[in-house]
Amino acid sequence: SQQGEEDPQALSIQEGENATMNCSYKTSINNLQWYRQNSGRGLVHLILIRSNEREKHSGRLRVTLDTSKKSSSLLITASRAADTASYFCATPPNWGLTGGGNKLTFGTGTQLKVEL
Amino acid sequence: DTEVTQTPKHLVMGMTNKKSLKCEQHMGHRAMYWYKQKAKKPPELMFVYSYEKLSINESVPSRFSPECPNSSLLNLHLHALQPEDSALYLCASSHGAGGNTGELFFGEGSRLTVL
Repeated sequence: SQQGEEDPQALSIQEGENATMNCSYKTSINNLQWYRQNSGRGLVHLILIRSNEREKHSGRLRVTLDTSKKSSSLLITASRAADTASYFCATPPNWGLTGGGNKLTFGTGTQLKVEL
Repeated sequence: DTEVTQTPKHLVMGMTNKKSLKCEQHMGHRAMYWYKQKAKKPPELMFVYSYEKLSINESVPSRFSPECPNSSLLNLHLHALQPEDSALYLCASSHGAGGNTGELFFGEGSRLTVL
């Protein structure tokens, strides 16, 4: 089953507007990550926020995390046509899992379209 | 540009064929992954290799056979696949191999079509 679910499933905005995507997850986490995927391409890591952080910025990206609500949001400010992509949140396994690599589980994703 | 290289970019195969997908990284990462992604769906984890040993197999059918010849290479051997196995296969790597490893670096994927 999916750890994370995102909404909206699809979002269409005009260039220059802000885009907000939300992610909800089910179990406790140590960090939450956001990835971008251009159509048919590989995923690119955008930002990682740890469970003890509430907000993090990277360029035009702002991520918030509310562990009490098990939710996160990704805000893209002053969007550009090049931001058109699918955005996924991803969560690693619960604290205490040792070894075995990072069993990252991806949310359902938000398809963002930025129109000129 | 991604530092994880996947070949081939596109592969068409029949249900009786044997083929392989290849993945290479030179970042010194200790964990490597195979994900499968169907259209408009999130990536689904298939296998994880940690220090060149298979550490996670997400109950993947045996017609998919992973191999990690060394710390830089990861293969996915394909045999007797079904049309429903058609998908984008993504390779990824990460610096660490334990829990809470951090970000994954993805390749551009291999688009597989099974006829």
